[in-house]
Amino acid sequence: DIQMTQSPSSLSASVGDRVTITCRASQAITNYVAWFQQRPGKAPKSLIFAASSLLDGVPSRFSGSGSGTDFTLTISSLQPDDVATYYCQQYNTYPGTFGQGTKVEIK
Amino acid sequence: EVQLVQSGAEVQKPGESLNISCRGSGYSFTNYWIGWVRQQPGKGLEWVGVIYPGDSDIRYSPSFQGQVTISADKSTSTAYLQWSSLKASDTGMYYCARRDGYKGQDYWGQGTLVTVSS
Repeated sequence: DIQMTQSPSSLSASVGDRVTITCRASQAITNYVAWFQQRPGKAPKSLIFAASSLLDGVPSRFSGSGSGTDFTLTISSLQPDDVATYYCQQYNTYPGTFGQGTKVEIK
Repeated sequence: EVQLVQSGAEVQKPGESLNISCRGSGYSFTNYWIGWVRQQPGKGLEWVGVIYPGDSDIRYSPSFQGQVTISADKSTSTAYLQWSSLKASDTGMYYCARRDGYKGQDYWGQGTLVTVSS
């Protein structure tokens, strides 16, 4: 199985800060990487697919990048509504492994 | 509008069987994979497996192979996750999600909480 190592496990930042979360795959994969947001007590919500494409309705402050083994989710200006845990996932091969998650809080 | 609606919360005893469901609407059910994801209390997301309702092709995570059974009923646009003998470690929230070949899991169900306790 491909392992997805996500970092950091948690972060605290101020409103308006730029936030970056990284995910490293255990082997080179195509750009079939997705990012999800899970607010407390809610189902995951899909944000980004194919490493850098935003799903409809996702605010433009979210962006994704990367290739090979290293992928990044960036929130350009952190908002109170962004408090959540974020997960990466590779869907290049089965099983579609997830990263361990990054909990984002407001300082 | 694409929707995935899951069955309600379940409380079962160890050794009992269980079947939870996920009904899709607003899209062609047979043309997209439907996957299941587990989240144990306070933990992250784990990929369980997927089914393609069009031909019932199924892929399981090695961690869940033999522990659960995934199926689908095209006539009712419903996918199922089944256990024949529950264990306490099966306790968790289970989500279904539609899987697009390019977009990955783009729509999610609301989740079904499964509690296994004697």
